[in-house]
Parts: sequence; structure tokens; C-alpha cells
Amino acid sequence: QVQLQESGPGLVKPSETLSLTCTVSGGSISDFYWNWIRQPAGKGLEWIGLIYSSGNTNYNPSLKSRVTLSVDTSKNQFSLKLSSVTAADTAVYYCARRQYYYDSTGHLKFDAFDIWGLGTKVTVSS
Amino acid sequence: DIQMTQSPSSLSASVGDRVTITCQATQDISTFLNWYQQKPGKAPNLLIYDASTLETGVPSRFSGSGSGTHFTFTISSLQPEDTATYYCQQYDNLPRTFGQGTKVEIK
Repeated sequence: QVQLQESGPGLVKPSETLSLTCTVSGGSISDFYWNWIRQPAGKGLEWIGLIYSSGNTNYNPSLKSRVTLSVDTSKNQFSLKLSSVTAADTAVYYCARRQYYYDSTGHLKFDAFDIWGLGTKVTVSS
Repeated sequence: DIQMTQSPSSLSASVGDRVTITCQATQDISTFLNWYQQKPGKAPNLLIYDASTLETGVPSRFSGSGSGTHFTFTISSLQPEDTATYYCQQYDNLPRTFGQGTKVEIK
């Protein structure tokens, strides 16, 4: 079955760029939307953005000026870069697959983050 | 952005109790709503999609209802393993947004 694994530095200095990679195993990265979601300690979930396997992206407007997502289909990986980080960016970062389908009437029956990575904790501190 | 507001933010109930969580959207999202369960130190896990459809393998004590802007998530008979935080999430529009979560504990 498909599994996701986040990787990257656990500590980033303020004003620098946070870089994480999500490796997809057990299946192809092609033909899916791949997402990054983060969760500060003790708080809720914030969707960061998504990338399609072709490279099309959509970002949360609250982070859009600082986020770049990319995909490497040859490595079955997609990546997140978040620039100019501050302590407010300290969080557990998850990668997740978006799966969706329509029913026979054309109703969007299913659209969910169906597979998640384990998450990786990133701390922004000098 | 569509804002999702859950209530309560936390609750404590006894084993066997019926537990209800509500989720309100700031605009009509039809039934484009998911519910996730998150246990400490784990990633969220999808329980319900399309507001009321149980994901495969999810126990039948979990259920969801609602459409438009008001949604309800129910555990019909709370079990010890249901201790977790529950999140609603809309998929009517981008950006995808989550409720702030409801922490469910056993009394």
C-alpha cells in the first residue's frame, strides 16, 4: 500500500528557508494531488498547499508569498520550501495524498486526505 | 476562505455515553465535509466523508449528518479507544480548511 515519509532538517534558523521532502512508496506519484499540512504543538491543522504530479500548484493565501512546492516524478518525491521562517512556523509538518472521485450523478462524492505521512517536527530557533 | 467552527473545544464523557460534536461553516458547503480522528502523536485518520458516509473499516458507532452550513458528528457509545481529537474539514473550496478540533476524553 502507498506510504508517505517526510524528511528534512528538524531545526531551522529564523529568516532562513525550511525545506522538506515527502517520499511516496508503494505506488506512483503520478495522477494524484499531493499536499502539505502543518500543526503547531497543541493546535489545529493548517493546509499549506497542493501540487499535482504535473507540477500545477495551489497555495494557502496566508502563506502563498513564502511557499514553493515542487515535484520530482523520477524520484517519486514532492517537496516544500517555506522562506523567511519565524517561530510561528514551528510545527509538525505532514504530507498527505488527496484522493477524490465523483459518483454516477456527477456529485463529488469523495475528496479527502486519505493517506498521510507520520509527520516531521520542525523547530524554528536560533 | 471558508471558516469552520467546531464546538465544544473539549468534552469529557463516560464509556457508553453518546457524544455529539458540531461543525459550522461560514458559507454553504453542501455535504462537502470530512471528519478526521487524531490520536496523540499520530497523523489524522479519515472517519467520515461527504458529511455522512463512513469510511471503510470505521466502526458503526461513528456517524455524521448535516448539509449546508451545519454539521454534526456523533459517537453513539463512547469507547476508551475513542479518546482523540476530532476535526471537521471542508472540501467545497480552496484553501481547504479545518475546524479547530474537539478533544474527547473519558471521564
